[in-house]
Amino acid sequence: NAGVMQNPRHLVRRRGQEARLRCSPMKGHSHVYWYRQLPEEGLKFMVYLQKENIIDESGMPKERFSAEFPKEGPSILRIQQVVRGDSAAYFCASSPLSNLDPEQYFGPGTRLTVT
Amino acid sequence: DAKTTQPTSMDCAEGRAANLPCNHSTISGNEYVYWYRQIHSQGPQYIIHGLKNNETNEMASLIITEDRKSSTLILPHATLRDTAVYYCIVRVVNTGTASKLTFGTGTRLQVTL
Repeated sequence: NAGVMQNPRHLVRRRGQEARLRCSPMKGHSHVYWYRQLPEEGLKFMVYLQKENIIDESGMPKERFSAEFPKEGPSILRIQQVVRGDSAAYFCASSPLSNLDPEQYFGPGTRLTVT
Repeated sequence: DAKTTQPTSMDCAEGRAANLPCNHSTISGNEYVYWYRQIHSQGPQYIIHGLKNNETNEMASLIITEDRKSSTLILPHATLRDTAVYYCIVRVVNTGTASKLTFGTGTRLQVTL
């Protein structure tokens, strides 16, 4: 069973461009979470999604950031008009529907560098 | 979710047991104690979780005090590959939902020869 996949692993964008980060959850998992880790800091929750629904976006910046998890395909975290402060590692995690297995399984992350 | 307190860093000799403490004095009755670790900027890795009974799996043991206000993660025979930041997280797990993880600053464990 393949783990959580994230791509690209490294992404370089110039200020003002758009960044699009993809996350494919583990097979059979219908919950996806996005976390951000700024340099030398801990992970911070951004958003929690189920298929076609945003469940909790309390950690998402109000502007420029959006997330989706369509019925088909990966979850996408989109950052519009990137700024230097967006440079960070973005981790995606997935968990199955049942609370019998509530652990979150993390992907390897996407490292975004804004120049 | 209740707040947790962990030491900033710890050292452990390879082959010895690593005991990582965590205080969670405001934990509620329906909150579980979870442990994750992050090895050198990789994605966090689930280790173990428990509610009130001690738990053991192939990676570690979790000892929770009777009043549930603190716990200890035990790596019985630490190796160099266990060098990582270890996060203790308190979290509610409800039927049909799966809540976010709130990471603190964790304990940086350095395993040495």
